[in-house]
Amino acid sequence: DAGITQSPRHKVTETGTPVTLRCHQTENHRYMYWYRQDPGHGLRLIHYSYGVKDTDKGEVSDGYSVSRSKTEDFLLTLESATSSQTSVYFCAIRQQGMGDTEAFFGQGTRLTVV
Amino acid sequence: AQSVTQPDIHITVSEGASLELRCNYSYGATPYLFWYVQSPGQGLQLLLKYFSGDTLVQGIKGFEAEFKRSQSSFNLRKPSVHWSDAAEYFCAVGSYGGSQGNLIFGKGTKLSVKP
Repeated sequence: DAGITQSPRHKVTETGTPVTLRCHQTENHRYMYWYRQDPGHGLRLIHYSYGVKDTDKGEVSDGYSVSRSKTEDFLLTLESATSSQTSVYFCAIRQQGMGDTEAFFGQGTRLTVV
Repeated sequence: AQSVTQPDIHITVSEGASLELRCNYSYGATPYLFWYVQSPGQGLQLLLKYFSGDTLVQGIKGFEAEFKRSQSSFNLRKPSVHWSDAAEYFCAVGSYGGSQGNLIFGKGTKLSVKP
């Protein structure tokens, strides 16, 4: 299995509080992604990173920010959590290489905002 | 912009029957295409991928997919479904290079298998 660790795996938080999810990789892959998975919506891209300090927005980035100060860590922050952000969050990593560009996924973080 | 459409939300097949899951994509250049499978409560596992070359690609667990550029499709097939194939299947299209490392998924097709 690819070396991807998401933490925490489960979290319950209150509306209005800040929350940070961490994705850590040991593969030295260039690209890192944050997705959220909701019934009926599949996986939707929140933000992704294509290098240290290089990030870009995905299709559902409102209410989320990210940071990547080291190759191995990609943080997702909910500045002020809302109930609509209750979801399962997946981190993925992807290498840079013509024949090697599939993504590997973490086990997910289940976030509940009450 | 990239997009992926999986027209079937839920499919039920009998064990031993053949399976085809549909995927249509929208992308301006040659796409990188993937199929992933997700069992309940699990992360996603890559089934197969297409970058270039032979348009029929083989994957794990007996799955194959065919890239048809003229139809913008990348349908997943399996000749004989096993009960353990019950899961959710996601098609994805990716770009490559520099800041263009986007990877977009369809909404998924849930597969149920009847005994």
